[in-house]
Amino acid sequence: DQQVKQNSPSLSVQEGRISILNCDYTNSMFDYFLWYKKYPAEGPTFLISISSIKDKNEDGRFTVFLNKSAKHLSLHIVPSQPGDSAVYFCAASGRTNAGKSTFGDGTTLTVKP
Amino acid sequence: NAGVTQTPKFQVLKTGQSMTLQCAQDMNHEYMSWYRQDPGMGLRLIHYSVGAGITDQGEVPNGYNVSRSTTEDFPLRLLSAAPSQTSVYFCASSYHGGVLAKNIQYFGAGTRLSVL
Repeated sequence: DQQVKQNSPSLSVQEGRISILNCDYTNSMFDYFLWYKKYPAEGPTFLISISSIKDKNEDGRFTVFLNKSAKHLSLHIVPSQPGDSAVYFCAASGRTNAGKSTFGDGTTLTVKP
Repeated sequence: NAGVTQTPKFQVLKTGQSMTLQCAQDMNHEYMSWYRQDPGMGLRLIHYSVGAGITDQGEVPNGYNVSRSTTEDFPLRLLSAAPSQTSVYFCASSYHGGVLAKNIQYFGAGTRLSVL
């Protein structure tokens, strides 16, 4: 049973438009949700996070929305830039163990110039 | 600032061989973790540690051993390599930031392992 799901393996958008990446989860005990960005041959790097007590967190061009009742979160990138092309992973963890995260399978975002 | 350092970057093994993947962090983080990533899949947790001397199993621990004798180092041992262990391995570290914690993990660049 996959507890964190990213149902879209890939997404292609035009430069300057909005990119929306989605993530669903099943475990209501998750307290933190994070998005990581990964370029080829590199490790994932942290992008933005949201606590379960919030419904929105914004950082520059990146906004994460959390809908707890639907167990759904989304990452919005506005405006999208070619440098945003990467694999984006959604991850979730409990409050007490920062070393134990559950990851989705990732969405490959391609931003076309 | 080195962050999380993994060695080697690439490794080819024959079935049955053993080896140790090294991971070191210089951020004084309490938590360290090992993940594997297979093609088209996300990262799956192998083992993790909440501090020196304390380790626990993750989602896919079979065939792997870990120990943590210092805060800085968290090696992953493959006891008898199998083709199913062909994967990219990532080490991560993180800290418990209390009520304001975000549980952010900092990753190494990965070790690409092929088992023939």
